[in-house]
Amino acid sequence: DIQMTQSPSSLSASVGDRITITCRASQSISTYLNWYQQQPGKAPKLLIYVASSLQSGVPSRFSGSGSGTDFTLTISSLQPEDFATYYCQQSYSTPLCSFGQGTRLEIK
Amino acid sequence: EVQLVESGGGLVQPGRSLRLSCAASGFTFDDYAMHWVRQAPGKGLEWVSGISWNSGTIGYADSVKGRFTISRDNAKNSLYLQMNSLRPEDTAFYYCAKGLGAAGPPTFALWGQGTLVTVSS
Repeated sequence: DIQMTQSPSSLSASVGDRITITCRASQSISTYLNWYQQQPGKAPKLLIYVASSLQSGVPSRFSGSGSGTDFTLTISSLQPEDFATYYCQQSYSTPLCSFGQGTRLEIK
Repeated sequence: EVQLVESGGGLVQPGRSLRLSCAASGFTFDDYAMHWVRQAPGKGLEWVSGISWNSGTIGYADSVKGRFTISRDNAKNSLYLQMNSLRPEDTAFYYCAKGLGAAGPPTFALWGQGTLVTVSS
C-alpha cells in the first residue's frame, strides 16, 4: 500500500502570508497527486489534480508542484476563507487510492 | 445545478446491514466514474470504493472488501453502497463523489454533503 505523509500536521499563519504544505509518498507516484480543501462541517473540495493542474473555479493563489515522491501545495497570499484542513491524495494505485492525514491551517 | 445528494444513513447495530444511495443531477451521470469516501468524526478521509461509468471496473478498500458492494443505475442517475456485517469502526460520514472522467485514476471532482452512519449497540 502507498502511504501518504503530510507535513506539517498543523500550521498557524496570518492573512496575506505565503504558506507551503508538503506531501510525501512512500513510493513514486509520478504526478498522480491531488489536493483537497475541507472547511469545518463541509464536504471536501478539489483544488489541484495531477500535481499541478488547477481545478476550474479555484483561485490562482493556489498552486501545486512535484513529482515522484515529493509534492507541495502553496497558497501565495492567504485569505480568510483559506483557513481549513488540506488533504493530499494519491491516485497512482488505481482503482485504489489513499489520502494523507491532513494539515490544519489556522489563523495566527 | 450540479449536485450529489446522499441518503440512507442512520444508527445501526453491529453485524447489521445498511444501504446508502446517492442521487446525481445536473450532469451526464454515465459519463463519470463514481466513488464513496468516508470520514470518521474528527478524523481524516478514507476512500471506500469506486466504480467506472459502465460498472466494468470496481475497487474496494481492504477495510471493506467482502462486506461492502458498490453499484450504480445509470438510468436512475444513482449510486449505491450496500454495507453488510457493519462494525463500530465503520462509523463515519459517507460521501458520494464524482470522478473527473469515465474511469481512470480516482479524482474526486464533486462531493455530496455526506450521510452519517453510526454503528453501535
